[in-house]
Amino acid sequence: NAGVTQTPKFRVLKTGQSMTLLCAQDMNHEYMYWYRQDPGMGLRLIHYSVGEGTTAKGEVPDGYNVSRLKKQNFLLGLESAAPSQTSVYFCASSSGRANTQYFGPGTRLTVL
Amino acid sequence: QQPVQSPQAVILREGEDAVINCSSSKALYSVHWYRQKHGEAPVFLMILLKGGEQKGHDKISASFNEKKQQSSLYLTASQLSYSGTYFCGTGVDSNYQLIWGAGTKLIIKP
Repeated sequence: NAGVTQTPKFRVLKTGQSMTLLCAQDMNHEYMYWYRQDPGMGLRLIHYSVGEGTTAKGEVPDGYNVSRLKKQNFLLGLESAAPSQTSVYFCASSSGRANTQYFGPGTRLTVL
Repeated sequence: QQPVQSPQAVILREGEDAVINCSSSKALYSVHWYRQKHGEAPVFLMILLKGGEQKGHDKISASFNEKKQQSSLYLTASQLSYSGTYFCGTGVDSNYQLIWGAGTKLIIKP
């Protein structure tokens, strides 16, 4: 039981490049979330999903897109990376709205 | 609106007690508490739901005052392993989003 996994762990992009971050969970959770965390700040929700095939915008969705084609996977895409997107990205999943969120180990992204 | 956590940072000696507060300007359905160690993912501590409950396990407990729209996390007889940054995440009714505080950094010294 791996819990929540994220790939890659680290990535460096140049401005304008694109990339996809993959999140996978093996707990059969309905809800999945993408957060970003900047130094000295809390977690900010980018997008979330309440089930397979659904996605919704969070607090800071601009510049990101997501897809949830399979229940266990939640992909975060950056179409044209900008230096302001340099951050640590965390994926999380939960079985319900007010239930424990289980976090992945994070992806450290640097955009030059 | 981000909940306000206080204090921003606290330094304790092993064995001392700490209280971390989380205040919201909105009516709350739930408050989640997590601890994050440097370079790691946040780890769940506890959830408190609307109803003014109090929860705890081991020497870490929390309260939720619905009327005051705030929650407090209590760490008693702190251990070195309690060091880290503590975050509260607040949820409101009919909303799947948690809004997170900026965190409280707790340093425990021997």
